[in-house]
Amino acid sequence: AQSVTQLDSHVSVSEGTPVLLRCNYSSSYSPSLFWYVQHPNKGLQLLLKYTSAATLVKGINGFEAEFKKSETSFHLTKPSAHMSDAAEYFCVSRYTGRRALTFGSGTRLQVQP
Amino acid sequence: GAGVSQSPSNKVTEKGKDVELRCDPISGHTALYWYRQSLGQGLEFLIYFQGNSAPDKSGLPSDRFSAERTGGSVSTLTIQRTQQEDSAVYLCASSLASGGTDTQYFGPGTRLTVL
Repeated sequence: AQSVTQLDSHVSVSEGTPVLLRCNYSSSYSPSLFWYVQHPNKGLQLLLKYTSAATLVKGINGFEAEFKKSETSFHLTKPSAHMSDAAEYFCVSRYTGRRALTFGSGTRLQVQP
Repeated sequence: GAGVSQSPSNKVTEKGKDVELRCDPISGHTALYWYRQSLGQGLEFLIYFQGNSAPDKSGLPSDRFSAERTGGSVSTLTIQRTQQEDSAVYLCASSLASGGTDTQYFGPGTRLTVL
């Protein structure tokens, strides 16, 4: 079964330093992959999505992710963290032929001043 | 434009009672989804509507859960004889369903607490 694994449940960085949130997917073929962000008491917001058009995907708020088939990874990065980036981040996949999204367990990003 | 809206935002009920949760999708979105977010299970899919029909209801956890969609718009998720393990945030999403890569836009959720 297709799934995604978020390797860190919690990541803490200092403001202005790079962010790396790790995600691995399991599939025998390239899935559709997404990163969503959830701020406290807010709804889920799409950061970016991979749809096989390009392996490096740029999203909102300076985030980007690179699809690496050889490593079955889709890590989320940002060059410089901002306090407003503190939130929960979900790596998400979708089976080919299905509409339902499969969510990873989430990574809580903490940004220290 | 308006996003996905859900009501109520919070619902507290007693064990054994029935509850109805409402979702208003983005206008023009033909696909609608329900998900549940709980501490123990994370974020999990419940049911998907295309128009008024539900081609995928594989995530409904028991026959106490049902959902309907009318007029290709509003959807209601009903939980009968609620149990404490039903306590969670119920999220609704909608999409244009124009292809395999359509984006799902989420509402703010309904927080259900079963006492």
